[in-house]
Amino acid sequence: GQQLNQSPQSMFIQEGEDVSMNCTSSSIFNTWLWYKQDPGEGPVLLIALYKAGELTSNGRLTAQFGITRKDSFLNISASIPSDVGIYFCAGPYQTGANNLFFGTGTRLTVIP
Amino acid sequence: GAGVSQSPRYKVAKRGQDVALRCDPISGHVSLFWYQQALGQGPEFLTYFQNEAQLDKSGLPSDRFFAERPEGSVSTLKIQRTQQEDSAVYLCASSFRRGDQPQHFGDGTRLSIL
Repeated sequence: GQQLNQSPQSMFIQEGEDVSMNCTSSSIFNTWLWYKQDPGEGPVLLIALYKAGELTSNGRLTAQFGITRKDSFLNISASIPSDVGIYFCAGPYQTGANNLFFGTGTRLTVIP
Repeated sequence: GAGVSQSPRYKVAKRGQDVALRCDPISGHVSLFWYQQALGQGPEFLTYFQNEAQLDKSGLPSDRFFAERPEGSVSTLKIQRTQQEDSAVYLCASSFRRGDQPQHFGDGTRLSIL
């Protein structure tokens, strides 16, 4: 079945460092979404990607839609303590589908 | 408030009891989604509404799960004869337009079945 694998599973970094994480799929996706979830809260949409090769930024966050359409990358520059949380990639089961399939998550810890 | 509101925030029930979880989406949002999130996992899709119409319920794990949105605004997720494996956080999300991906999530209801 459909699988979305994220790596790394967890990261411990120093404040100020840059962060890279990725997400790979067993199937082609036409949309990639990145969410951040803090403990006890719902996911917050960070970035949406709609085209292979697309590179989109949101402040210190940059995400890319891989050209194979089976992967996506999220980078965070100059990390700060509030970047702590779990980052999920997600994509629709099929083109036009409303139901999202979420990845396994990357847990980020920022050490001040 | 301006966001998606879910109630209760925490619910403890004995195995076999019925529970009802409420979602108040952002006013005017057409699309409404329910997700189930087990501990340490990503959210898993349960069902999708466009206004009052339930267009996709393919993620509901069994016929014990039932969702409704009778007036196209507030939605209720009901679980009958709860079992321990139903313990999870139930997340609701809404989006302004039909066809949009879930954009605004509530903080969820944490359900614990004893």
